[in-house]
Amino acid sequence: EAGVAQSPRYKIIEKRQSVAFWCNPISGHATLYWYQQILGQGPKLLIQFQNNGVVDDSQLPKDRFSAERLKGVDSTLKIQPAKLEDSAVYLCASSLGAITSTDTQYFGPGTRLTVL
Amino acid sequence: DAKTTQPPSMDCAEGRAANLPCNHSTISGNEYVYWYRQIHSQGPQYIIHGLKNNETNEMASLIITEDRKSSTLILPHATLRDTAVYYCIVSFSSNTGKLIFGQGTTLQVKP
Repeated sequence: EAGVAQSPRYKIIEKRQSVAFWCNPISGHATLYWYQQILGQGPKLLIQFQNNGVVDDSQLPKDRFSAERLKGVDSTLKIQPAKLEDSAVYLCASSLGAITSTDTQYFGPGTRLTVL
Repeated sequence: DAKTTQPPSMDCAEGRAANLPCNHSTISGNEYVYWYRQIHSQGPQYIIHGLKNNETNEMASLIITEDRKSSTLILPHATLRDTAVYYCIVSFSSNTGKLIFGQGTTLQVKP
């Protein structure tokens, strides 16, 4: 079974530039998550999708971050404009989205963003 | 904020059991205890979860105290590849609840 795919793996940009990350979840997984992990900290949830609808985006800085999940499969996370403090690893995860049972999340390898 | 407390770091000798503690004194009756680990430069990996009873799978065992205020993850025969950050998380079913990661425990397995 293929895992969660993310691209690019690494990205270096100047502050105030824009950047986009792509995620392809495990086939058949209805729930998709984007996390931000700053060096030395645990991952922090940015946004959660159930199919193509947003379940939770309370921690997403909406003035500069946006995310979409068209057709309930792939997802993109965009930052525009980037700030120095956005330097982090951006992790995508997916899960089956089962309502009646606990639901394991499977993580991709992440995209390491450096903002100069 | 994370609802768990873990020691920041631990060492373990290769081949010995690694016992990683976690305190979750404010856990509610229908919250599960999850363990994930993150090997350097990889995404987190699910290990095990439990509600009340002890659980075991091919990777580890989870021991939850009767009052559910603490738990221990046991890696029965640690190898160098088990060196990672281990996160203990309490959450409802993760379809509706968040996984709130704390700082975790950095486990160093030494030869």
